Amino acid sequence: AQKVTQAQTEISVVEKEDVTLDCVYETRDTTYYLFWYKQPPSGELVFLIRRNSFDEQNEISGRYSWNFQKSTSSFNFTITASQVVDSAVYFCALSETSGSRLTFGEGTQLTVNP
Amino acid sequence: NAGVTQTPKFQVLKTGQSMTLQCAQDMNHEYMSWYRQDPGMGLRLIHYSVGAGITDQGEVPNGYNVSRSTTEDFPLRLLSAAPSQTSVYFCASSYSAGLAGGLYEQYFGPGTRLTVT
Repeated sequence: AQKVTQAQTEISVVEKEDVTLDCVYETRDTTYYLFWYKQPPSGELVFLIRRNSFDEQNEISGRYSWNFQKSTSSFNFTITASQVVDSAVYFCALSETSGSRLTFGEGTQLTVNP
Repeated sequence: NAGVTQTPKFQVLKTGQSMTLQCAQDMNHEYMSWYRQDPGMGLRLIHYSVGAGITDQGEVPNGYNVSRSTTEDFPLRLLSAAPSQTSVYFCASSYSAGLAGGLYEQYFGPGTRLTVT
């Protein structure tokens, strides 16, 4: 069965600090997809990234970057020079190719203080 | 495009009452799903559908029914509401990966906050 663990329940940083959100997953599939979603205080879910398990290159999008390491089953998310608007709950999720389910982690509440 | 719409936004039920949460999408997505979000537990899959006429159970299906008679609509029915069903409910849709498996980006609705007293 697929499982996603986000061990950091809450993180608090000061603006302009870099912050890394951890995500560890379990799956028996050799092909799978990993996702990150953001849920700001307004409550909607915002898609950030989808990554194929065959693509282990790191991804960078502006201040956001993702580090995928198959050897440790991790897909960590780093925000560089954090801003107050980054305050949100961030979810990591996994989809196996053998099924049609998206499994979410428990989420990490990130608070960026001015 | 309206994307994924959910009604109502808020609902209060008494224990034992039944109701239907509505979900509709106008993107011609084959895949639709329902999640519930509870504090500290992330989003948990209730039911999903890979196309009209096809539904399946997710992680927490007990107490909920679904049907998919059209591509656009995927209503979630609470048969006899219980306080344990107090939660925020999200509907989502996406393109289907077909035989290749896996899921594409999920488009989420704004959510329905349900309280059962």
